[in-house]
Amino acid sequence: QQPVQSPQAVILREGEDAVINCSSSKALYSVHWYRQKHGEAPIFLMILLKGGEQKGHDKISASFNEKKQQSSLYLTASQLSYSGTYFCGTEIGNNDMRFGAGTRLTVKP
Amino acid sequence: DGGITQSPKYLFRKEGQNVTLSCEQNLNHDAMYWYRQDPGQGLRLIYYSQIVNDFQKGDIAEGYSVSREKKESFPLTVTSAQKNPTAFYLCASSVTGVYNEQFFGPGTRLTVL
Repeated sequence: QQPVQSPQAVILREGEDAVINCSSSKALYSVHWYRQKHGEAPIFLMILLKGGEQKGHDKISASFNEKKQQSSLYLTASQLSYSGTYFCGTEIGNNDMRFGAGTRLTVKP
Repeated sequence: DGGITQSPKYLFRKEGQNVTLSCEQNLNHDAMYWYRQDPGQGLRLIYYSQIVNDFQKGDIAEGYSVSREKKESFPLTVTSAQKNPTAFYLCASSVTGVYNEQFFGPGTRLTVL
């Protein structure tokens, strides 16, 4: 029931853009995005709800296609601080959350 | 300071012993979750609870047990039936409403020798 994330890893130079994709085989209540730095707990970035509502980070954007059960996270003009592993979380039932395997993002100077 | 605490940060146990991981939150959240994290596999859901005295199995519940006697506490027991218990365990909590982003604890790294 875990969603599928792609790519598994990406390396960027500062200022470059990246897109991380998340796809589920199940109908979704919502999609969450989190970032985890090595040895730390995941931190919430964004939540996307059915119907288009969003809440979250002011420098990172995301989309949610309810029909296709897919979401994408857009990282533009990346900064060194964006490095980490990004996880999408898909809510497949009320508070029933499944996370993807993660996308490791490395931003180099 | 509101947050989630997990203790201990590192835990070592001998094979065949049960071990209980602690998770406490003072965020007044109704929902709590336990995840297991292994390299390359993301966060896999073990159990979650939406309310006191109620919990549901996640994808990998075999060999684990939980209780939810108090709103603030959701301890996880790793039993001897869990075949490969060495992992990083994360606890999280959230509200049960629409904007139910999860807040994670710092995690417990369990090593079974």
